[in-house]
Amino acid sequence: SQQGEEDPQALSIQEGENATMNCSYKTSINNLQWYRQNSGRGLVHLILIRSNEREKHSGRLRVTLDTSKKSSSLLITASRAADTASYFCATPQGNRDDKIIFGKGTRLHILP
Amino acid sequence: EADIYQTPRYLVIGTGKKITLECSQTMGHDKMYWYQQDPGMELHLIHYSYGVNSTEKGDLSSESTVSRIRTEHFPLTLESARPSHTSQYLCASTGFFEAFFGQGTRLTVV
Repeated sequence: SQQGEEDPQALSIQEGENATMNCSYKTSINNLQWYRQNSGRGLVHLILIRSNEREKHSGRLRVTLDTSKKSSSLLITASRAADTASYFCATPQGNRDDKIIFGKGTRLHILP
Repeated sequence: EADIYQTPRYLVIGTGKKITLECSQTMGHDKMYWYQQDPGMELHLIHYSYGVNSTEKGDLSSESTVSRIRTEHFPLTLESARPSHTSQYLCASTGFFEAFFGQGTRLTVV
């Protein structure tokens, strides 16, 4: 079963606006990661937030984590056309965190 | 740039054929994964390995099999391809936390 569930499934915004995507998960985690995928290619790691962190920044990305609600959000500020992609959250599962389980993803489209 | 490679990039094959999708990484990672991705983009874990000679099935049942004889190599085999196997297959590996992905193999079974 999928651990992460992102919403919205699809999002279209104007260039320059901020984009926010949310992810919910079901079980306890040690960390949560966000990835980007362009045009059905391989995924690229964006940012990792540990379970004892509440917020993390990387460039135009801001990730928050609320372990009490089992949810995370990814904010992309000042969006650009190049940000058009699919975004996934992922959590490690299993006794040794051997499995990385991805959510269904959010398709982000930046309008010129 | 991730050092993980998948071949072929695209494959069109007839029903009943045996195929092997190749995945190799040069990062010395112990953990490797195969995901199947639907056209609607959800990724499903079908196999994973946490080291040589150790493989496990993922959350999505798959008729494929995998092997891990060498750290760097994690091939996926379909003994008899069927149209229902048409999908994109993504290979990944992890060191500590971050997963590195290959470019994927888009398989079409006709």
